[in-house]
Order: sequence, then structure tokens, then C-alpha cells
Amino acid sequence: QVQLQESGPGLVKPSETLSLTCTVSGDSISSTYWSWIRQPAGKGLEWIGRSYFTGSTFYNPSLRNRVTMSVDTSKNQFSLTLTSVTAADTAVYYCARNPHGSSWFDSWGQGTLVTVSS
Amino acid sequence: QSALTQPASVSGSPGQSITISCTGTSSDVGGYNYVSWYQQHPGKAPKLLIYDLNKRPSGVSNRFSGSKSGNTASLTISGLQAEDEAEYYCNSYTSTSTLGVVFGGGTKLTVL
Repeated sequence: QVQLQESGPGLVKPSETLSLTCTVSGDSISSTYWSWIRQPAGKGLEWIGRSYFTGSTFYNPSLRNRVTMSVDTSKNQFSLTLTSVTAADTAVYYCARNPHGSSWFDSWGQGTLVTVSS
Repeated sequence: QSALTQPASVSGSPGQSITISCTGTSSDVGGYNYVSWYQQHPGKAPKLLIYDLNKRPSGVSNRFSGSKSGNTASLTISGLQAEDEAEYYCNSYTSTSTLGVVFGGGTKLTVL
């Protein structure tokens, strides 16, 4: 059974960089695509992007200029970096698996709250 | 990427059936059968209910079913139960810009 766990700072200052890592167990990070999704309090889900161990990435156009995703096969982890954050980036961030390179998400992390505030 | 359109809320009584719609365009819902549905209880991560329009993952009740007509996908929940009260989100592959995915805005289901 695959499990995902997000980790990273819960508080980031405005204009700084948000960095999160997702540790995967029960599956190889090289097996498929892996995604980041976020959810501001009381609002809906927003897909941020997905990455593959080859370096292939796809990003939400609205965040493309600030987002970088990567995969670390040695640690079975993938990561998210979001630059120049503002209060609008405050959200629960989820990592998730896209099985077989699909567009759907069958396994999710529990989510981690990131607050942007000085 | 514009979000898919879902009703803000729906309600039903125990035992009844309800349907949640998800309207997109020919570039997403209407053009592909890559629609998925998720259930989210407060404070929890979303749970996959339906993928590839009408397929259920192992362990998901057959009370949940998916379908599509034109640019609108639908999730039907039959035999409503109290534990079905949750937020529901649709999701679709989109062929616009980055070949990514787009979510609906979510629908709050209230079991009366």
C-alpha cells in the first residue's frame, strides 16, 4: 500500500521561497508521475503540477513562472519549490500519485499547512 | 486554466439518489473520458471515487457511479447515507496549454 508524507516549513515569509518534500513508501518513485495540489482554507483544490523521474514536468499555467518540481530517486522523494510567495499562497499542500501516468490521483498525503506571513 | 463548473451545494435524504454535475468544455470533459471524482471530508485528504469517467477503484462502493453527456460529467450517489455528507470535486485532463488537469470548484453534499 503506497503512502505519501509531506514535509517542510509551516511558515514562510512573503517574497521568500516555499519548499516542500513528499516521501513515498510502498512504491518506486520511478514508477509514474507525482503531483502537488493545494487547497486554501475553505476553498477548492488547485493542481500545481506533476513531475517524472526523468525530469519531465508539467505545471499549472497560473503558477508556471514560480514553480519548480523535481524527483530524487535515491531518497524516493519528490519536491516542490514555489518562489516569491504571497499571502495568496497560504494553503494546505498535498502530494499525490498519478498511477500509470494518468490524470487522476489515487493516493494522497495527509496534507501540510503552509502559511505565508511575516 | 478555468475551473470546471459544479453546483455549490446539493442535498438529499437518506436512501435517495443525487447527481452532481461537472461542466467543462470540449478541451477537457467533452473531449476525453479522463474525468475523475473525489470525496473530501472536513480536515481530510480527498479520496478517489471514480476515474476514467466511470471506473471505481477497489474498495469504493458501487453506490457511486460516473457518466458524461457532451461537456458535462455527472457523479451519481444512490442509497444516500449519512457518511456521504462531504465535499465532492470533479477533475479532468485538459488539452489546453500544459496538458495538465483542472478541478471543479467543489460541491457540498448535505444529507438531510
